[in-house]
Amino acid sequence: QVQLVQSGAEVQKPGSSVKVSCRASGGAFSPYPVGWVRQAPGQGLEWMGGIIPVFGTTNYAQKFQGRVTITADESTNTVYLELSSLTSEDTAIYYCARDVVPRGPLAAAHYWGQGTLVTVSS
Amino acid sequence: DVQMTQSPSSLSASVGDKVTITCQTSHDISNYLNWYQHKPGKAPELLISDASNLKTGAPSRFSGSGSGTHFIFTISSLQPEDIGTYYCQQYYNMPPMFTFGPGTKVEVK
Repeated sequence: QVQLVQSGAEVQKPGSSVKVSCRASGGAFSPYPVGWVRQAPGQGLEWMGGIIPVFGTTNYAQKFQGRVTITADESTNTVYLELSSLTSEDTAIYYCARDVVPRGPLAAAHYWGQGTLVTVSS
Repeated sequence: DVQMTQSPSSLSASVGDKVTITCQTSHDISNYLNWYQHKPGKAPELLISDASNLKTGAPSRFSGSGSGTHFIFTISSLQPEDIGTYYCQQYYNMPPMFTFGPGTKVEVK
């Protein structure tokens, strides 16, 4: 059974960066696309971007271009989300999610991490 | 970019009622649309993929239909555990995009 386990809650200051991890277990890692989705308080779900680990290819939502970096470490089956220049509007729960169709962009989020709360506060 | 709308934004229905949520897109996306349930404090769950395919293990009271720009999600008989927010989500491969609708909050009377 595929499991995605995310790193713990973070508190960061405005202007800083945060890096959240998502470790996959239970099956192959590299071929399957992984994406990041966030939910700010009182808001809906928002896709940030994704990666196909076997190719290293990434794609990002236009809103986050230049501020987000998604990477993958195949040796530890872990995907990372790094978000820079944080503001209070980045306070949200961040989820990683994985598809079941390999070697293509994220199409459907079949598996989800438990979520990581990132709080941006001075 | 593909714009997405959902209606209604919220609804309240009784146990056993049929519930229908509509998702419309600004461009033809064929059947590249999924539906999720999101309960407070939990991760979202995929219910329907490719417009009409019920995910293995999901209750059969959930169903989806539609193609092109108009899609419908139905709960045939609302249950107390169905409370939450339901999102449609489209995916587009040129360039790869993955967008959620604004969501529909479902409550049980």
